[in-house]
Amino acid sequence: ETGVTQTPRHLVMGMTNKKSLKCEQHLGHNAMYWYKQSAKKPLELMFVYNFKEQTENNSVPSRFSPECPNSSHLFLHLHTLQPEDSALYLCASSSLSHTEAFFGQGTRLTVV
Amino acid sequence: GDSVTQMEGPVTLSEEAFLTINCTYTATGYPSLFWYVQYPGEGLQLLLKATKADDKGSNKGFEATYRKETTSFHLEKGSVQVSDSAVYFCALRAQGGSEKLVFGKGTKLTVNP
Repeated sequence: ETGVTQTPRHLVMGMTNKKSLKCEQHLGHNAMYWYKQSAKKPLELMFVYNFKEQTENNSVPSRFSPECPNSSHLFLHLHTLQPEDSALYLCASSSLSHTEAFFGQGTRLTVV
Repeated sequence: GDSVTQMEGPVTLSEEAFLTINCTYTATGYPSLFWYVQYPGEGLQLLLKATKADDKGSNKGFEATYRKETTSFHLEKGSVQVSDSAVYFCALRAQGGSEKLVFGKGTKLTVNP
C-alpha cells in the first residue's frame, strides 16, 4: 500500500473514445503529478499541480486534459488518442515537508 | 537545467554478485537525491534517499552516498538476489523545495540464479 491509488490498472480504448484516469492520495500531500512511461524511453513528466493549481505543463498535447478538483484527487481525461500514446501512466504525490514523491501503481493504457 | 545521468543498462549479474549502478547529477546547490525501484508491472517505489552531502542512504542491503565533490550518488549492494531484478532510477529534487523531480533514464537489472 503506497498511499497513492490509481484506477483503472489497465485500460484499452479506441482512438475515438473518451476515458479518464483517476488518482487519489490519502497522504495529506499538496503536490500531484502525472508521468508517462513508454517502452525504451525515459520517464516523462506531463503535469504538476500544487495546491490544486497547475504549475507545470510539459508541452503535452491537448488530447490529454488534467483536472485537479482538490489536493487529494487528480484526473487525466483522454480523448482522440493515438496508438503512440499507449504507455504506463503514473501518478505521484509529494509534500513540502518530505522531499520524495510517492507513486501509484500506474494505469497501463493501450490505444487501438 | 538540472539533470541526472545514470549508467546504461541492461545489467546482468549472477546471484550473490556485487552491484554498482553509477549515477551523476547536474544541479545548483544541494539537491536531494533518490533511488527508486520499479518491479515488473508496478509503479516506482522509493528505495533510499539522501538529503545532504556525505549522507548515506540505505535500505534492503542497498546503499548510496551523496558525494558533492563528484556530484555522484552511486547505488551499491554487496550480494544481489534474484528478487532484486527490476529497473532502478536515480532522481534529484532541487534545493529549495521545488516540487519537480528529475529522473535518470533507468537501469534494468537482471539477476540470474
